[in-house]
Amino acid sequence: DTGVSQDPRHKITKRGQNVTFRCDPISEHNRLYWYRQTLGQGPEFLTYFQNEAQLEKSRLLSNRFSAERPKGSFSTLEIQRTEQGDSAMYLCASSFGTGSTEAFFGQGTRLTVV
Amino acid sequence: AQSVTQLDSQVPVFEEAPVELRCNYSSSVSVYLFWYVQYPNQGLQLLLKYLSGSTLVKGINGFEAEFNKSQTSFHLRKPSVHISDTAEYFCAVSRPYNNNDMRFGAGTRLTVKP
Repeated sequence: DTGVSQDPRHKITKRGQNVTFRCDPISEHNRLYWYRQTLGQGPEFLTYFQNEAQLEKSRLLSNRFSAERPKGSFSTLEIQRTEQGDSAMYLCASSFGTGSTEAFFGQGTRLTVV
Repeated sequence: AQSVTQLDSQVPVFEEAPVELRCNYSSSVSVYLFWYVQYPNQGLQLLLKYLSGSTLVKGINGFEAEFNKSQTSFHLRKPSVHISDTAEYFCAVSRPYNNNDMRFGAGTRLTVKP
């Protein structure tokens, strides 16, 4: 297993378009997290899943954002009607178990809305 | 909720010099503390973590950090830096067993000059 992978690595889209990102966690990890990182800032928590259940959503996750993890494996993050303020790095992380001490991060998807 | 403050946004240092990146945390409960490194256009890589026990934690690439409960600090140190250590460093805090509750600092940009 090569770790958490995210696709695409870079995405440029026009304002108003919809975009979807994919995250494949480490195979035995049951927890999956999405973070957003804007320029010059640390990652901010968006949402997390335990298996296929979405257990928590940050207030940062507006109604234009939706995340799914249908089979408890890979996850998708969709942004509808993108805005320039959505431009950021979107990071996915995964961890194992409820007593995990560490989350492993993917390389991120860099979104640029023009 | 817990939070972290990274006291320096940028730290320039010459190659082979020692460096300290400062992190203070705030929490009303016990915490886990982490340092991550991020290279340009990459995800986050864990350098080291404090969970409990010995207050001096050793990590990868020659880094170490000391947990100081009375000063609520978790400063990162390296006795001799290399050009390749140039990167963004993030301090993070979470409650035990709650990676979904992880909070990151704004980051410290370490620049190692020849």
